[in-house]
Amino acid sequence: EAGVAQSPRYKIIEKRQSVAFWCNPISGHATLYWYQQILGQGPKLLIQFQNNGVVDDSQLPKDRFSAERLKGVDSTLKIQPAKLEDSAVYLCASSLSGRGVSSSYNEQFFGPGTRLTVL
Amino acid sequence: AQTVTQSQPEMSVQEAETVTLSCTYDTSESDYYLFWYKQPPSRQMILVIRQEAYKQQNATENRFSVNFQKAAKSFSLKISDSQLGDAAMYFCAYRNFGNEKLTFGTGTRLTIIP
Repeated sequence: EAGVAQSPRYKIIEKRQSVAFWCNPISGHATLYWYQQILGQGPKLLIQFQNNGVVDDSQLPKDRFSAERLKGVDSTLKIQPAKLEDSAVYLCASSLSGRGVSSSYNEQFFGPGTRLTVL
Repeated sequence: AQTVTQSQPEMSVQEAETVTLSCTYDTSESDYYLFWYKQPPSRQMILVIRQEAYKQQNATENRFSVNFQKAAKSFSLKISDSQLGDAAMYFCAYRNFGNEKLTFGTGTRLTIIP
């Protein structure tokens, strides 16, 4: 079974530029997550999709970050314009969960992440 | 809001020895999951072990086991017979039963000494 795919693996941009990350979840996984992992910290959830709808985006800085999941499969995360503090690893994860709120356990599988450096 | 605390930024252990990584958490919920994830230099988070809060028995997965103390809100990971491949960042994480959001600690970097 193929895992969660992300691209690019690395990206270097200057502040105020725009950048986009792409994620392809495991086939059949209804729920997709984007996490931000700043150096020296644990991952922090930015946004959670169930199919193509947003379940939780409470920690997404909406003035500069946007995300979409067209057709309930692939997803893109965009930053426009980027700031120095956006330098981080952006992790995508997916799970089988068919509902946004679930009492049963469905493991989240993570991709390899994209390391963003903002100069 | 739930919080997860890992007070050991770095740990080291001799190959084949045993090491314990500490984690404490804070929650007002009674039903939840706790996890330990491994993140090698490749950056991919890998689930090591999971514990359901309603289970009194500590979870084990081969060389990995946990010491879950619900009243103390403590969740430590024991790695037995440490191997070079165990070297990585280890993150403790929390999830409510009714919500899939994971809350992570700041991680512990584990070094294995040959």
